[in-house]
Amino acid sequence: GAGVSQSPSNKVTEKGKDVELRCDPISGHTALYWYRQSLGQGLEFLIYFQGNSAPDKSGLPSDRFSAERTGGSVSTLTIQRTQQEDSAVYLCASSLVAPGGETQYFGPGTRLLVL
Amino acid sequence: AQSVTQPDIHITVSEGASLELRCNYSYGATPYLFWYVQSPGQGLQLLLKYFSGDTLVQGIKGFEAEFKRSQSSFNLRKPSVHWSDAAEYFCAVGGYNQGGKLIFGQGTELSVKP
Repeated sequence: GAGVSQSPSNKVTEKGKDVELRCDPISGHTALYWYRQSLGQGLEFLIYFQGNSAPDKSGLPSDRFSAERTGGSVSTLTIQRTQQEDSAVYLCASSLVAPGGETQYFGPGTRLLVL
Repeated sequence: AQSVTQPDIHITVSEGASLELRCNYSYGATPYLFWYVQSPGQGLQLLLKYFSGDTLVQGIKGFEAEFKRSQSSFNLRKPSVHWSDAAEYFCAVGGYNQGGKLIFGQGTELSVKP
C-alpha cells in the first residue's frame, strides 16, 4: 500500500483480556516501530525492529507487552491481561532503515479502550 | 538522558499572524531533530527534519525551523498561519546512538482564530 496501515482502528476490550494490534509497514521498509500515545504520558517509544536484528524492547512498559515481526514485514503488538492504564492510541511507524535519521512514516493508529 | 521539552501546551494565534512553536532538547551527541504535525483523528505527518548542515531547515506547508546548538533549541516557525494549520505539533529528537527510536515532546496544540 501507499502508507502504513494498522488494524483494527478501534478496539474495546474488558480488563484482563488479551489484545492483538496489527501493523502493515510501507513495502520495502526494513525498520518498524511501535509507539503509544496517551493523555498522561504523551508519545512513548515501545519497541523497534530493524531487519533481522534483535528488536530494541527498551520501551515496553511491562512483560505483558510483546511484539513480533514476521517475515520482516507485518508486525503484531500483543498486550496480555489488559489493564485500564493500557488505554491509549497505539501508533506504528516504518522507515527505510534505522540508523537514526531516516524519516518515520506513521500509521493512523489503533485506539484501545480497556473497560 | 535524552529529552524534549515543548514549553507551550496550547497556543492560539489569529489567521494570518506569524507563529513560533518552541522546542528544547537534551541529547548527549549530535541530535537528529524532527517536527511532526497531528490533525484530529490522523496519524503523525513529518513537517521537517534536521540532520546536519544548514541550521535553517525548510519543510512542507510553509514551515521552517532553526537549529541552535548553543541554546539546544529547534523552534518551528511560519510567517502566516492558515486556519488549516490548527493541529497538534510534536518535536522529536533521535540520533545514531539510539538507533531509530524517537523521543517526543509533550506536544503543542495550536488553535487558529478567524
